[in-house]
Amino acid sequence: DIQMTQSPSSLSASVGDRVTITCRTSQTIATYLNWYQQKPGKAPHLLIYAASTLQSGVPSRFSGSGSGTDFTLTISSLQPEDFATYYCQQSYSPPRTFGQGTRLEIK
Amino acid sequence: EVQLVESGGGLVQPGGSQRLSCEASGFIFSAYAMSWVRQVPGKGLEWVADISGSGGSTHYADSVEGRFTISRDNSKNTLYLQMNSLTAEDTAAYYCVKFPRITVSRDAFDVWGQGTLVAIS
Repeated sequence: DIQMTQSPSSLSASVGDRVTITCRTSQTIATYLNWYQQKPGKAPHLLIYAASTLQSGVPSRFSGSGSGTDFTLTISSLQPEDFATYYCQQSYSPPRTFGQGTRLEIK
Repeated sequence: EVQLVESGGGLVQPGGSQRLSCEASGFIFSAYAMSWVRQVPGKGLEWVADISGSGGSTHYADSVEGRFTISRDNSKNTLYLQMNSLTAEDTAAYYCVKFPRITVSRDAFDVWGQGTLVAIS
């Protein structure tokens, strides 16, 4: 199985900050990397797929980059509604594995 | 509006069985592969199983292979997960999720249901 390592596991930031979350995979996966956001008590929802493509309806302050084994999710200017947990997921080969999550908290 | 609504969760005794359902609306159900993903409360996400739009192709996580069965009834726009020989390690919220095409592919899960909680105790 492809192992996913997200960092940091938690992060405190303020509204307006620029934030970057990293995801590293144990094998190369080209750009088959997706990012999801999950708020407490809610289901995850898709933010970015194929490493850098924004899902329809997702604000442009979110962006993704990377290929191979190293990927990043960046939020350019944090908004109050962005405080949540973020998961990366590889869809290159089964089983589709997820990172352990990055909890983004208000400073 | 695309919507997935799970049901069937609850408290189950160890060794017991449970069937989860997911009713889909707002899209042509048979045209899309589907999957189940679970999440232990307070923990991360684990893919469980997936099925093609026709139902002819299925795949399972090693942790549930031989115990869980994914199926679908396209005439009822409903996805199922039959879970047998349940253990405490199966306690989780189970999410019904949709692929963006008919075959299980390298795509992301583009729509998620709200989840249904299964507790084994």
